[in-house]
Amino acid sequence: QSALTQPRSVSGSPGQSVTISCTGTSSDVGGYNYVSWYQQHPGKAPKVMIFDVFKRPSGVPDRFSGSKSDNTASLTIFGLQAEDEADYYCCSYAGSYTLVFGGGTKLTVL
Amino acid sequence: QLQLQESGPGVVKPSETLSLTCTVSGGSISSSRYYWGWIRQPPGKGLEWIGNVFYSGSTYYNPSLKSRVTISGDTSKNQFSLKLTSVTAADTALYYCARVVYYGSGSYSFDYWGRGTLVTVSS
Repeated sequence: QSALTQPRSVSGSPGQSVTISCTGTSSDVGGYNYVSWYQQHPGKAPKVMIFDVFKRPSGVPDRFSGSKSDNTASLTIFGLQAEDEADYYCCSYAGSYTLVFGGGTKLTVL
Repeated sequence: QLQLQESGPGVVKPSETLSLTCTVSGGSISSSRYYWGWIRQPPGKGLEWIGNVFYSGSTYYNPSLKSRVTISGDTSKNQFSLKLTSVTAADTALYYCARVVYYGSGSYSFDYWGRGTLVTVSS
């Protein structure tokens, strides 16, 4: 079970959109529609932003959108805001009741 | 409001056993709707899922840690615990406990987290 692959960093200006990718295999991302995304600000615990590829928990702005194609899941943030600057982690079901996280992506709002 | 609080030694010697407890308040670990999980984060690095426990006692572990990990729940104390044996410096990390919402099949999300506790493996 290897960590999912995410870009180390992405950036965007306020108001723009950014997309963070999360690449796995047919044994995890590609095999199930069970990818979640977590936002982590420095010194804080992670917060779930997306689950089941595209579903948003109550209270998460609709600027956050999830999708998946084959072995790659994506998190898109529309209308970037300064408070979106954080680390983002994807997490996928990997079969047999196990989960695997991605390596994380640092989002910088320019 | 649900709260989770990790507790345990901040320093563990190499080859010994790391033991942490997560105390849950504002909710019961006996609920059939949730699992309870442990996740860790080495300093400056990413998240790693360690494992989950269900109130019935069923446990599920990261295959890479399975031989060294035991997670258990104590419904009488509303706590769940993590034991990691034969630790090395690579086990130095911030350890989080979290509530796991289970929607069915492979659908999970960690919706409530503790603040994390730093465990350093050092002699």
